Amino acid sequence: AQSVTQLGSHVSVSEGALVLLRCNYSSSVPPYLFWYVQYPNQGLQLLLKYTSAATLVKGINGFEAEFKKSETSFHLTKPSAHMSDAAEYFCAVSEPVFGNEKLTFGTGTRLTIIP
Amino acid sequence: GAVVSQHPSRVICKSGTSVKIECRSLDFQATTMFWYRQFPKKSLMLMATSNEGSKATYEQGVEKDKFLINHASLTLSTLTVTSAHPEDSSFYICSARSPRGIYEQYFGPGTRLTVT
Repeated sequence: AQSVTQLGSHVSVSEGALVLLRCNYSSSVPPYLFWYVQYPNQGLQLLLKYTSAATLVKGINGFEAEFKKSETSFHLTKPSAHMSDAAEYFCAVSEPVFGNEKLTFGTGTRLTIIP
Repeated sequence: GAVVSQHPSRVICKSGTSVKIECRSLDFQATTMFWYRQFPKKSLMLMATSNEGSKATYEQGVEKDKFLINHASLTLSTLTVTSAHPEDSSFYICSARSPRGIYEQYFGPGTRLTVT
């Protein structure tokens, strides 16, 4: 079974400061990992994904995440926060087993940017 | 590319009525689509997996007779909430399997259902 834990339901950072959103996963097989962003009343947009290639993954809007197997983590970072980054962020895990492509989502982290 | 649309974006219906939500892949064919439900300030819960031309696979605890899913074509899946009740009020989001690989999904913008 797969699961995701996102530490911190709310994170506030100042504009220009480092953004760090935490995600830990549990999976019975080497996982695929995803970060999605959701703006109010909208669907989810893929920020980046890890699919067993490079452990440091770069995504859109300046975000990146590093897969650390030893820590079972996939934390999302951005060096300098922008006001437009304010949104809800979801980490998700999938077990790449044939016939099972379900995404299991974490509970989300609401990112607030302080001007 | 890879755009998924949903219609309507918002719907209000009376208790006891049925409401249909459409999910379309606009520029690609989607043999598999997924329906999620999102409660306020909560994560997405997978309700069912919809495969074109076959019956949907429902997750444990989801009433298949209440949430009817039809995937009649490669670009359209529908979710019908039958005999809606206020507790069915929620944000419903669909996604479609990416044509680039089965472990990536493209999400629609969601439908806000309010049952009065």
